[in-house]
This record gives sequence, C-alpha cells and structure tokens, in this order.
Amino acid sequence: DAGVIQSPRHEVTEMGQEVTLRCKPISGHDYLFWYRQTMMRGLELLIYFNNNVPIDDSGMPEDRFSAKMPNASFSTLKIQPSEPRDSAVYFCASSSSRTSAPDTQYFGPGTRLTVL
Amino acid sequence: GESVGLHLPTLSVQEGDNSIINCAYSNSASDYFIWYKQESGKGPQFIIDIRSNMDKRQGQRVTVLLNKTVKHLSLQIAATQPGDSAVYFCAERGTGNQFYFGTGTSLTVIP
Repeated sequence: DAGVIQSPRHEVTEMGQEVTLRCKPISGHDYLFWYRQTMMRGLELLIYFNNNVPIDDSGMPEDRFSAKMPNASFSTLKIQPSEPRDSAVYFCASSSSRTSAPDTQYFGPGTRLTVL
Repeated sequence: GESVGLHLPTLSVQEGDNSIINCAYSNSASDYFIWYKQESGKGPQFIIDIRSNMDKRQGQRVTVLLNKTVKHLSLQIAATQPGDSAVYFCAERGTGNQFYFGTGTSLTVIP
C-alpha cells in the first residue's frame, strides 16, 4: 500500500510568495494531521481533520496559514504571504479510527520549505 | 499547556548494547503515549505505544516503561543495531486527538 504522499518534497521560495503544500493520506483513513518540525520547537501540530472537517486549528500560527481538505484523499496547507521564519519541514500524517490501532499516525516524508 | 521534554538530546551506544531513552511529560491526565523513530530525511515512524493503565509494554527488541507517579516514560532498545540510529520522539495524547511531541533524542550506534 502507498503511504502518505506529500508534494513537493522540497520548496524554496522568496519572502512574500504564496506556498502550497499538498498531502494525500492513506486510503480509508479518516483523520489527517498537519505538523511543522523545526530544530527549536520540534514537532508541532498545526491542524487536524476528521472526515474532511477541521477539528482543531489552534496550532496554526497565524492568519497567513490556512488548510483545506476538499475530499478524503487530498489536503493542502497554504502560507500566504510566506516569511523566512516559516522555514521548516512540514509533515502530513493520517490515521484510521476503524482499525485495531486507531491512534497510530502514519507520517508522510515531509516537505522541506525554505523561505529566503 | 502540555509539554513533553527529553532528558538527553544525544545518546551514543556501542552496537550490541542496550539503549535507554527517557522522556518526561507534564500532563498527569494524558492517557496514551507513543514512541516514534525518525530517520534522516524521513517522517516519524511508529515504534510502540502504551496506555496509562499499563506500566510496561514489550515489542520486538523494544520495551516501553511508564511511571505515572513521576510522569516519566522510557524506551529500551535491546541489542542496539546500526539501523537503530535515528532520532526518537515520545508523544503524549492531550485533549481530543492531539499529540504533543518532545524535541527528540538522537541515538547514534557505534559499530
């Protein structure tokens, strides 16, 4: 089975530009999570969805960040406008409440974002 | 808010020795904990979990111990191998389905 798929794997952009990160969760999973990872702060949960509905976005740093999940197989995280302090690795993860291990999150390979 | 911290940021062990990675958590109400392994350039990978009604759980070469009295979690890796070199995170479940991750411990296995 394909795992969580993220694109692009690397993104370099200039300050002020719009950045869109994409995620395809594991088929059949009903939870989707977006995380940000930095050396200073480690892994931080930004937002998570259940059945395509945002449940908790309290981790989204500010209004420049937005996330959508238009269907069960696709989600985007958008930063507009981007700033150098947004540079980090962004992970998407998914999980299924219908398995024997409902709390196990499967992570994608991440998108390394660099904002110059 | 909740916080999860690690006692040691780096750990080096000889191949074949046992490794112990420690983690402290702050929320006594946390009911579920997971250890993840993250190799360079990859996303975190589930290793083992434990619920708060247990104090020990064993997997293949790994054991997790939970001490709720002092809010401490540890991961023991038996007969550490070069492939075990990675960053290890503990995570606790807070409210809802949120997990809070520590900053990680980097394990290096010396051949």
